[in-house]
Amino acid sequence: EAQVTQNPRYLITVTGKKLTVTCSQNMNHEYMSWYRQDPGLGLRQIYYSMNVEVTDKGDVPEGYKVSRKEKRNFPLILESPSPNQTSLYFCASSTGQGRNQPQHFGDGTRLSIL
Amino acid sequence: AQSVAQPEDQVNVAEGNPLTVKCTYSVSGNPYLFWYVQYPNRGLQFLLKYITGDNLVKGSYGFEAEFNKSQTSFHLKKPSALVSDSALYFCAPNELPGGNNRKLIWGLGTSLAVNP
Repeated sequence: EAQVTQNPRYLITVTGKKLTVTCSQNMNHEYMSWYRQDPGLGLRQIYYSMNVEVTDKGDVPEGYKVSRKEKRNFPLILESPSPNQTSLYFCASSTGQGRNQPQHFGDGTRLSIL
Repeated sequence: AQSVAQPEDQVNVAEGNPLTVKCTYSVSGNPYLFWYVQYPNRGLQFLLKYITGDNLVKGSYGFEAEFNKSQTSFHLKKPSALVSDSALYFCAPNELPGGNNRKLIWGLGTSLAVNP
C-alpha cells in the first residue's frame, strides 16, 4: 500500500531535549515536505526537499533541521525544542513530475514540548 | 500576497442533501487547484484537482468541484451528502511562481458536519 509513515504519532517531551520525527514514503517520490498545523494559522511549510541531498527552507524553518540522505526518508530534527514548537506535524510527498501532482500526507505527529 | 479564502468556518447539511463548500483564491497567474480532506486524527487526503480543461472536475468519494476563472473560485460539491463526509476540508492552490517547491497555499479549512 502506498503510504507516508510518520513516527512517533504522539510525543510529550521537555524543553531542550533533542528529538527526531521520522518520515518515510514507499512511492519513490522525489519531493517531500514538512508542515506544521496550528489552530488559527492553518498549515505552514517548514522545509522541503526536491530530491536526495537537496533541501530548502519553507516559511517557518527556525528551530528545525532536516536531512535527505535517502530518497524514501526525510526526518525532521528539533535540536533544542521549545514550547512554541508544540504543534501537529505532517510529512508529505509527491512525484517530482510537476506541480500538478497531489501530495500524499502522513497521519501526523502531535508534539507537546513542556 | 497570495491567499485562499474559505468563507465558511462550518457547513451543516442533512444527510442526503447536496453540499457545497466554497473557496476563492487570490494567486497571480493560473494556479493548479486542489481539494483535500482531513478526518479526525488523520493526515490530509487528496480529493481532486483542477489543472486545465473542463470546469467541472470529478474526484474521490463522489465529490466534484466547479472552477470559475472570472470569479477565481473553486467550490467543492456533492449531490448527496453522507454522515461519513463529516470532516475538515481544505482548498489549496499552488503558490506561483513556485520554482522547485510544490508549496500549496493553505487556508483554515471548512468543517463539514453532515447530520443523520
